[in-house]
Amino acid sequence: SYELTQPPSVSVSPGQTARITCSGDALPTKFAYWYQQKSGQAPELLIFEDSKRPSGIPERFSGSTSGTVATLTISEAHVDDEADYYCFSTDTSGHQRVFGGGTRVTVL
Amino acid sequence: EVQLIESGGGLVQPGGSLRLSCSASGFVFGNYYMAWVRQAPGKGLEWVANIREDGSDTSFGDAVKGRFTISRDNAKNSLYLQMSRLRAEDTAIYYCARVKAAIHFDKWGQGILVTVSP
Repeated sequence: SYELTQPPSVSVSPGQTARITCSGDALPTKFAYWYQQKSGQAPELLIFEDSKRPSGIPERFSGSTSGTVATLTISEAHVDDEADYYCFSTDTSGHQRVFGGGTRVTVL
Repeated sequence: EVQLIESGGGLVQPGGSLRLSCSASGFVFGNYYMAWVRQAPGKGLEWVANIREDGSDTSFGDAVKGRFTISRDNAKNSLYLQMSRLRAEDTAIYYCARVKAAIHFDKWGQGILVTVSP
């Protein structure tokens, strides 16, 4: 079955830049999506189609994909950015929908 | 404002059945694919099932295929998940989600807890 691989955790100092990677064999041909989930809350869409931001999402959040790796970048990290971040995509057939294992971001 | 409100969760014994509902408002329900996504306690997100706008096509994750069915009633702006032959590993918060471009989840409900235990 198809898998997306993320690092379990990332730490960043306030005001610095955090980068979260997501590896998957189908990413050269399938879009990546990113979700933020704060403790006790439902997930929220951060990035769609590799690099697009829904309305209301700060420009500090950006996405990119190169080959088999998608990257979520959080610029000027705030304490409020502490959360779990999940990538999402599909396999090459488009039928199997998969989340990455999630990355916990700590801002300290 | 888009709202998705899940109901029907609770405690069920292994091997039992449960039906979840999701009431949608704030958008034209019949114009969107819909989905269920779950999250086991302390674990990551797992896609469960999708359904086409008119209900004519459904798809399921491998973990629930053959045990769960997804349906909808566009006249009632409602989405359903019928869960059968439940196992302990089905214990999770179940989220109702609106699907954009037939792929990703752009709006989520607050989730409903399902616990499978003797």
